[in-house]
Amino acid sequence: DAKTTQPTSMDCAEGRAANLPCNHSTISGNEYVYWYRQIHSQGPQYIIHGLKNNETNEMASLIITEDRKSSTLILPHATLRDTAVYYCIVRGLNSGYSTLTFGKGTMLLVSP
Amino acid sequence: DTAVSQTPKYLVTQMGNDKSIKCEQNLGHDTMYWYKQDSKKFLKIMFSYNNKELIINETVPNRFSPKSPDKAHLNLHINSLELGDSAVYFCASSQSVAGAEAFFGQGTRLTVV
Repeated sequence: DAKTTQPTSMDCAEGRAANLPCNHSTISGNEYVYWYRQIHSQGPQYIIHGLKNNETNEMASLIITEDRKSSTLILPHATLRDTAVYYCIVRGLNSGYSTLTFGKGTMLLVSP
Repeated sequence: DTAVSQTPKYLVTQMGNDKSIKCEQNLGHDTMYWYKQDSKKFLKIMFSYNNKELIINETVPNRFSPKSPDKAHLNLHINSLELGDSAVYFCASSQSVAGAEAFFGQGTRLTVV
């Protein structure tokens, strides 16, 4: 699975959009981009995933560049409860028995 | 209803003891996992089971023995606990081995003293 690079930490004001970048320049054609987050003292939580088209669900939007070498997770109206570590993970759909490989992630701090 | 539940949530024990952590999922998933999150917050896969069969064992000491009595349960037994085993252990499940949308439990914080 391709490696990802994320900023160590980011700040966001409550009510504003939080844009979390992820670089995955070695991504291959059959690999998806997944986003998870881990709120303090909780288990990781799935947010969204995509292949090449932009995706949106009730939690967030995922924007993937045309060359697929980077992506951005957007939380449109961040709240204090969105403070968490956000993990960008690249994994092939047909990875068989491979599992999610978590990196260091981005610590997002949402402030009042 | 909690999708993936682990017990206990906290476990404090002495070195050398044997302990078990239980995990149950009510999602009807075929695949279950154990992850370990150490003090530096790195989350690493330990084991994966698919339909009660072990499919991934990531170089974990053989003091750790997972057991899956049925598809909905994956328990973790640890023998001769060591200080370095102190961590948070997360159970997770996914629909299949290819499924990357995994659901995690709340974790079990193990402290070995």
